[in-house]
Amino acid sequence: ETGVTQTPRHLVMGMTNKKSLKCEQHLGHNAMYWYKQSAKKPLELMFVYNFKEQTENNSVPSRFSPECPNSSHLFLHLHTLQPEDSALYLCASSQEEGQTYNEQFFGPGTRLTVL
Amino acid sequence: KNQVEQSPQSLIILEGKNCTLQCNYTVSPFSNLRWYKQDTGRGPVSLTIMTFSENTKSNGRYTATLDADTKQSSLHITASQLSDSASYICVVSAGGTYKYIFGTGTRLKVLA
Repeated sequence: ETGVTQTPRHLVMGMTNKKSLKCEQHLGHNAMYWYKQSAKKPLELMFVYNFKEQTENNSVPSRFSPECPNSSHLFLHLHTLQPEDSALYLCASSQEEGQTYNEQFFGPGTRLTVL
Repeated sequence: KNQVEQSPQSLIILEGKNCTLQCNYTVSPFSNLRWYKQDTGRGPVSLTIMTFSENTKSNGRYTATLDADTKQSSLHITASQLSDSASYICVVSAGGTYKYIFGTGTRLKVLA
């Protein structure tokens, strides 16, 4: 285990549903990340939080809404998604944003299917 | 444009054989390069990291090389095992912006 957990592991939702993804890290890190992983594409950075403050929003549609109540927890709230949003959503953490020599630790991901 | 390209896209080898995966990048300025292994249904796990001054780094049967002049890296797997079946992702960090640029990965399948 990497010390980063994600729930649920699998999620199927309709386009009108509202759901949330949860990420928790037990590593004492200060930076947390959401990534989208689609088949045959590089990981796409969505959001970055550093010390609970959002420092990066990579032009993500507003139907994805992140929340970071503390340095250990990160949520991704989903509403009115599109079928093309189906992907593996990965959460990661690192000691601090900007120190790229420090490893990013990834969770197992949530496999999202939008019908 | 900062980019990381990996080859081949997929590879099938027999157990016990060696293989080499390639990573070419156009990231500038360069900060470091990391190889990740991602098992099916799991998140990526770091194998090695190299900075500008490092040419080679090993982690068990995995050996990564870096040529900063040609902007190429390789990951060599020795005496492959069934558990090596996974995707291998090359990630380059850009200096200054400290961004991570991910490659699309190489999917390796090791057959018995």
